[in-house]
Amino acid sequence: SQQGEEDPQALSIQEGENATMNCSYKTSINNLQWYRQNSGRGLVHLILIRSNEREKHSGRLRVTLDTSKKSSSLLITASRAADTASYFCATIYLIQGAQKLVFGQGTRLTINP
Amino acid sequence: KAGVTQTPRYLIKTRGQQVTLSCSPISGHRSVSWYQQTPGQGLQFLFEYFSETQRNKGNFPGRFSGRQFSNSRSEMNVSTLELGDSALYLCASSFGGRQYFGPGTRLTVL
Repeated sequence: SQQGEEDPQALSIQEGENATMNCSYKTSINNLQWYRQNSGRGLVHLILIRSNEREKHSGRLRVTLDTSKKSSSLLITASRAADTASYFCATIYLIQGAQKLVFGQGTRLTINP
Repeated sequence: KAGVTQTPRYLIKTRGQQVTLSCSPISGHRSVSWYQQTPGQGLQFLFEYFSETQRNKGNFPGRFSGRQFSNSRSEMNVSTLELGDSALYLCASSFGGRQYFGPGTRLTVL
C-alpha cells in the first residue's frame, strides 16, 4: 500500500493540553498535507509542508517533516474542544505520470473538557 | 467564492440499483477528484477529472464511473450497487496542489 500510516489511531486528552500526531509515508514526496475532518463531514485543509521545509507553523498548529525518516508530525497546542476531529496526512505520489493524493488512515482526536 | 458543493447530501438505495452523485467545484477550479470513505478502508481515491478528461484512476471496479462537464461540474455513477458501496463519497476540487473538499454524500445501500 502507498498509504501513509498515522500514529496513534486515537488520542484523548484534556482541554488545554498539547496533541501530537505522527504520519509515516513510503516513497519520496514533493509535499505533505494535513487535513481535519469533523464527524462524517468533508475534509478541511490545514497545512502543506514542502519536501525542502522542516517545520511550518499556522496558528496553534506546528508541522514538522523529516524526509530522511519519511515522517511528519502535527502538533496542536493549547487544545480546545472544537479541535475534536479526525486528522489525516496526505501525500502526493506520481503514479504512471499522474499525481495521486493518498491519505493515511487518520488519527481520531478527542478533547475532553 | 462558494465552496465545493455536493448533491444529494444523503441517499438510500437498495442492492442492484444505480446512483449518480453530483459535485460542483469552486469557480475556476478545473480539477475534480472523487474519494470513497469507509470505516474499514479509510479514504480511497476513485478518480480525477481535469478539463473533461479522466486524468487518474484508483483501484475500483468498472461499476464506478465518472464524467466532467465543460463547466467543470462532475458526476460519478455507481451501477449495480452492493452493500459494500455504503460510504461517504467526497468530492474535491484542487488548485495549487491543495484540495478543497465538499461536505460529501452519505450513501447507504440496503
